[in-house]
Amino acid sequence: EDQVTQSPEALRLQEGESSSLNCSYTVSGLRGLFWYRQDPGKGPEFLFTLYSAGEEKEKERLKATLTKKESFLHITAPKPEDSATYLCAVQGNFNKFYFGSGTKLNVKP
Amino acid sequence: EPEVTQTPSHQVTQMGQEVILRCVPISNHLYFYWYRQILGQKVEFLVSFYNNEISEKSEIFDDQFSVERPDGSNFTLKIRSTKLEDSAMYFCASTPRTGGSGELFFGEGSRLTVL
Repeated sequence: EDQVTQSPEALRLQEGESSSLNCSYTVSGLRGLFWYRQDPGKGPEFLFTLYSAGEEKEKERLKATLTKKESFLHITAPKPEDSATYLCAVQGNFNKFYFGSGTKLNVKP
Repeated sequence: EPEVTQTPSHQVTQMGQEVILRCVPISNHLYFYWYRQILGQKVEFLVSFYNNEISEKSEIFDDQFSVERPDGSNFTLKIRSTKLEDSAMYFCASTPRTGGSGELFFGEGSRLTVL
């Protein structure tokens, strides 16, 4: 069964304290792994797509990487405005996406 | 920047009533989706829609649910007889890519409260 697990569930960082979020997955025929940011009461906002192991994408303080079994979202020198829930999703053989439970990031000034 | 728009932003209804949630996907997108998120839980897939028919649906999407694209722009989710457990945030999403691959673009959601 296709499955996505994210860790940790919650992460508290001081401003400037770099860290990584993990997304491990099992899926039949990975068509893509996606990272989203979700603010409270809002829809998920697209961040990155990764298609194959070894691929990396960067955007400002965020960098996403992909292996055959997991993906990491690295946050370098985070700021309070990076506080949000970060969601990982995978698309397998069929036309649906499976989401993880998310990591709730809180960056304190 | 083009965006997915959803209405209403919040709807309160009595158990057993019919509800229609509306979405306007991004205009050149081909695949449309409904997802739901119960408070504090995962975003869950409900249904995907392509070429005026359902492409995939989950176990959640039972006979109480239906989707429709009545014209060239709107995409609707109907819940025929709402239950307490239908209370959730419902998100519409779309993607431009053929084959349904690629990132989803989500609307801001419609919060449904069933009393």
